[in-house]
Amino acid sequence: SAVISQKPSRDICQRGTSLTIQCQVDSQVTMMFWYRQQPGQSLTLIATANQGSEATYESGFVIDKFPISRPNLTFSTLTVSNMSPEDSSIYLCSVAGSGSREQFFGPGTRLTVL
Amino acid sequence: QKEVEQNSGPLSVPEGAIASLNCTYSDRGSQSFFWYRQYSGKSPELIMSIYSNGDKEDGRFTAQLNKASQYVSLLIRDSQPSDSATYLCAVLTGANSKLTFGKGITLSVRP
Repeated sequence: SAVISQKPSRDICQRGTSLTIQCQVDSQVTMMFWYRQQPGQSLTLIATANQGSEATYESGFVIDKFPISRPNLTFSTLTVSNMSPEDSSIYLCSVAGSGSREQFFGPGTRLTVL
Repeated sequence: QKEVEQNSGPLSVPEGAIASLNCTYSDRGSQSFFWYRQYSGKSPELIMSIYSNGDKEDGRFTAQLNKASQYVSLLIRDSQPSDSATYLCAVLTGANSKLTFGKGITLSVRP
C-alpha cells in the first residue's frame, strides 16, 4: 500500500494564526480526504480534496476556515485559518486508489491552539 | 443523517478469549464496511473490509456482515494484549465515497 506522510507531525499555535498541513503520498492516488479527530472522539470528514478543482466540503466545514489545495495526484494541503482553541485536534489525511473503496490514513498532525 | 453506532465500551477480555465488537448503520444503501484499529497516539489502521453478506476471515480476525439487519461485527479470536486498542467501524456511503465512522470501542486484553 501507499506510504503517506504528513508535515508537521505536531504543532502548538497561537490563537488567530493559521497553520498549513501537508500530505504527501509516494504514488498517485485517485482520492484524497481530510479528517479531524477531536480529543477522545471519532473521525469526522472535513472535505474531499479534488485534483485541479475546489475541494468538496462536508456540512459544518467551510472553505474560508479550511482552505484545501491539491495540485497533483500525490500532494494536498489543508490550512486551518484564524485558529481558536476549539481547533485543537488531530488532522488526518487519507487516500484511496483508483477503483478502490479502501482508505488508508497518514500518521496525522496533532494541533494544539493556545 | 446517516449514522454508524457502536456498543459503548470499554470492553475487557482475558488473553486467549474471543472479543466481539458490534456495529449497526442506518443507511440501507451502504455497500462497503470497514474495521480500523487505532492505538493510542496513532492514526487508524485498516484491518478488515467486507462488502458481501456473510463472514470474511483474515488470520485471527473475522468480519461478519448482515445487510438485512444493517449489522456488521468483528470477532478477534485468541485475543492478545497487543490487540488492546480502539476499534472503529466505518461505512462507505454515497457516490462521493464518504466514510462515516462510529465512535469506536476501546478493547483491553488482560494478560
